[in-house]
Amino acid sequence: AQKITQTQPGMFVQEKEAVTLDCTYDTSDPSYGLFWYKQPSSGEMIFLIYQGSYDQQNATEGRYSLNFQKARKSANLVISASQLGDSAMYFCAMRLFMNYGGSQGNLIFGKGTKLSVKP
Amino acid sequence: DSGVTQTPKHLITATGQRVTLRCSPRSGDLSVYWYQQSLDQGLQFLIQYYNGEERAKGNILERFSAQQFPDLHSELNLSSLELGDSALYFCASSSRLRGAYNSPLHFGNGTRLTVT
Repeated sequence: AQKITQTQPGMFVQEKEAVTLDCTYDTSDPSYGLFWYKQPSSGEMIFLIYQGSYDQQNATEGRYSLNFQKARKSANLVISASQLGDSAMYFCAMRLFMNYGGSQGNLIFGKGTKLSVKP
Repeated sequence: DSGVTQTPKHLITATGQRVTLRCSPRSGDLSVYWYQQSLDQGLQFLIQYYNGEERAKGNILERFSAQQFPDLHSELNLSSLELGDSALYFCASSSRLRGAYNSPLHFGNGTRLTVT
């Protein structure tokens, strides 16, 4: 079954420190993409970073980096130098090349991790 | 700004009523996805359209329907509303269909539906 698991319902981090949000995935499709989205309290879904299954290097976007361990099927998000504005829900998601159950390019989401940044 | 526009932002209605949610995808995107986000169910995929045709169905109730018009905007119709339909409804768009695993979906800001 295609699945995303985020085991941390909530996390706290001190401002200016780094934090790692965990994500594991399950798929037998060799071609897939892994994505992280941020959802602030205002509700919008903001795309942060992407990692492809064939990418050799970990993705980075500014203060965001993705720690991709393919053998472990994990795609953890690392936020460096946390800011108060980073307080939000963070969702890990997967998109597959193949179609399963009629889903064509659908995003499969985890349940999310609520990050709170303390001043 | 994702480039995906959803209207209205908020909608309050009574049980048994019918509402229509509207979505304009990013310029050039042919594929539209609808998601429902509720506290207990998380983000659930509802339905997908590509260039006017329905391509995939997820956990969409029979009381719900959608369509994508020739100008590529999409509408999600929710009828016989129940209290449990209260949720945040997202539209997302993407430029590709097959093999699109390496490109993100771009989400609108959502429509928050409250059924009283």
